[in-house]
Amino acid sequence: EPEVTQTPSHQVTQMGQEVILRCVPISNHLYFYWYRQILGQKVEFLVSFYNNEISEKSEIFDDQFSVERPDGSNFTLKIRSTKLEDSAMYFCASSATSGGGNEQFFGPGTRLTVL
Amino acid sequence: QKEVEQNSGPLSVPEGAIASLNCTYSDRVSQSFFWYRQYSGKSPELIMSIYSNGDKEDGRFTAQLNKASQYVSLLIRDSQPSDSATYLCAVNPRDDKIIFGKGTRLHILP
Repeated sequence: EPEVTQTPSHQVTQMGQEVILRCVPISNHLYFYWYRQILGQKVEFLVSFYNNEISEKSEIFDDQFSVERPDGSNFTLKIRSTKLEDSAMYFCASSATSGGGNEQFFGPGTRLTVL
Repeated sequence: QKEVEQNSGPLSVPEGAIASLNCTYSDRVSQSFFWYRQYSGKSPELIMSIYSNGDKEDGRFTAQLNKASQYVSLLIRDSQPSDSATYLCAVNPRDDKIIFGKGTRLHILP
């Protein structure tokens, strides 16, 4: 069964460093998303991406964040200068459609720890 | 502010019984509704989606939607210990993102 994959599973970084989280969405999906979940809190939307453009972003997704689809398979989230409060699980998701009926399938996540 | 509300639990249910999970949402124009299961330390796993009023059954799971009351529920029949997890209610208002509730922790008692 097709699935979303993410690397690395765990990333430890120093405050102020740049990190890149990688995702390979399900192959025939066209819509890609990043969510995060701080420990003990709810899953929060960060950004959606379609046709090589950001289609929507949340207030969390400030200038420190960027997304890219560098090739036909990968989808990346970059955090330019990490802060302690960026420590969280980051989930990539993909869907075949957008809007109503867009079932989103999640990858296993990357646990980001900022020291 | 669009919200999705769930009772955090824990909800304890004997093995073999029916577990009933509930959720309310604030945005009346929401179109799509989902239930995800999340085991501790793992990612959300989609188990049910529902788009129109009424019931939708898939195996031991039944999702129920009442748009007039802005209410979504999930019933799990013949509960198994492997059903012990956090169940996340999620709503797609009208655009791309999904808004999640905080989840209800379900504990199936052997």
